[in-house]
Amino acid sequence: AQKITQTQPGMFVQEKEAVTLDCTYDTSDQSYGLFWYKQPSSGEMIFLIYQGSYDEQNATEGRYSLNFQKARKSANLVISASQLGDSAMYFCAMRRTGRRALTFGSGTRLQVQP
Amino acid sequence: DAGVTQSPTHLIKTRGQQVTLRCSPISGHKSVSWYQQVLGQGPQFIFQYYEKEERGRGNFPDRFSARQFPNYSSELNVNALLLGDSALYLCASTLTVAGEEHFGDGTRLSIL
Repeated sequence: AQKITQTQPGMFVQEKEAVTLDCTYDTSDQSYGLFWYKQPSSGEMIFLIYQGSYDEQNATEGRYSLNFQKARKSANLVISASQLGDSAMYFCAMRRTGRRALTFGSGTRLQVQP
Repeated sequence: DAGVTQSPTHLIKTRGQQVTLRCSPISGHKSVSWYQQVLGQGPQFIFQYYEKEERGRGNFPDRFSARQFPNYSSELNVNALLLGDSALYLCASTLTVAGEEHFGDGTRLSIL
């Protein structure tokens, strides 16, 4: 079975600073994908970034980067230059290659302060 | 282009009733998945449909059922509603079976 653990229920960051949201995962599979989603209060899940288990480079998408440490089974999200609009819930998720379902963590609520 | 659309946005039902939630995927997307998100938790996978066939099912009772239509839209049905079914129900579509999921805004279901 797969499990995603997000140990930070809430985080505060000052505007324009960088912040790291932690994610660890547990799986016996060798091939899998890791995802980060943002969920504003409106409810929509917004895809941010993806990392495949065999990708050698850490994924980056604009201000988002994923710090992937396979041996430690961690996939932390780094947001650079935080903006007020980054305030939201952030979910880490994984999916076994070839399978259908995403397994989500419990989320981290990020609040960006001016 | 329109994203994933779900209807209704909010719904209030009483215990024992039945409910139908609807989802229209992004144009061209043939796979639809349903997730349940209870307040304070991450979403949990309920179903995935691809080309009108069920391709995956999560750990939910038989009271939950779904189907996908020829135009790739989907309905989620829940019978004999329980208080614990109160949640945000999210629909996601993907271009292929294992592609990146694009989520709708969800239907917020409240059971009284």
